[in-house]
Amino acid sequence: QSALTQPPSASGSPGQSVTISCTGTSSDIGDYDYVSWYQQEAGKAPKLIIFEVVKRPSGVPDRFSGSKSGNTASLTVSGLQAEDEADYYCSSYGGSENFVVFGGGTKLTVL
Amino acid sequence: HLQESGSKLVRPPQTLSLTCAVSGDFVRSGSYSWSWIRQPPGKGLEWIGYIYYSGATYYNPSLKSRVTISLDKSNNQFSLNVTSVTAADTALYYCARGATMIDSWGQGTLVTVSS
Repeated sequence: QSALTQPPSASGSPGQSVTISCTGTSSDIGDYDYVSWYQQEAGKAPKLIIFEVVKRPSGVPDRFSGSKSGNTASLTVSGLQAEDEADYYCSSYGGSENFVVFGGGTKLTVL
Repeated sequence: HLQESGSKLVRPPQTLSLTCAVSGDFVRSGSYSWSWIRQPPGKGLEWIGYIYYSGATYYNPSLKSRVTISLDKSNNQFSLNVTSVTAADTALYYCARGATMIDSWGQGTLVTVSS
């Protein structure tokens, strides 16, 4: 069982927006602004797309955005494209006992 | 660039050993931590632990009793040992740069635990 809870699947049509949630506790997401999101295409290593809740690494399209409210972080993909179809994982700093925690992953399907 | 190497088939209850060779950066640099993450076939990511340039280590509490991560500054690499392995340790093992923000990943190496 993962420390952070994500929906197992999400979907949307090209051009639409999709939001994926990541729910933790007051000991991880709720207490630290160290939430990251990773995109993992089939057969590939994960790729960092959001860090520190809202920041995007260079080269990541601005269609990807992150936010946080309380113990829940969210990833929004706007203007869905076929190439966005992948698994998405959230992670957070988990404090001095758990250090790093991951979500179980969400499979995003572009219809 | 990070590249994993090591045993791909391990018999229980032996020790799994992997090494991550780092190029384009220095593990002795104080700028980053160096992590191991694994992914069982068809499942999600599990953080194993990370090490700082100073040698300080931080482990997943559920694996802490069996895991050791070490740094080899002279060869610019870091390593993972997992003792007393079982079939549940079968996974794709990734080495990576960073901890809460992992901006560079190895390609991963599949380790199978089977007798």
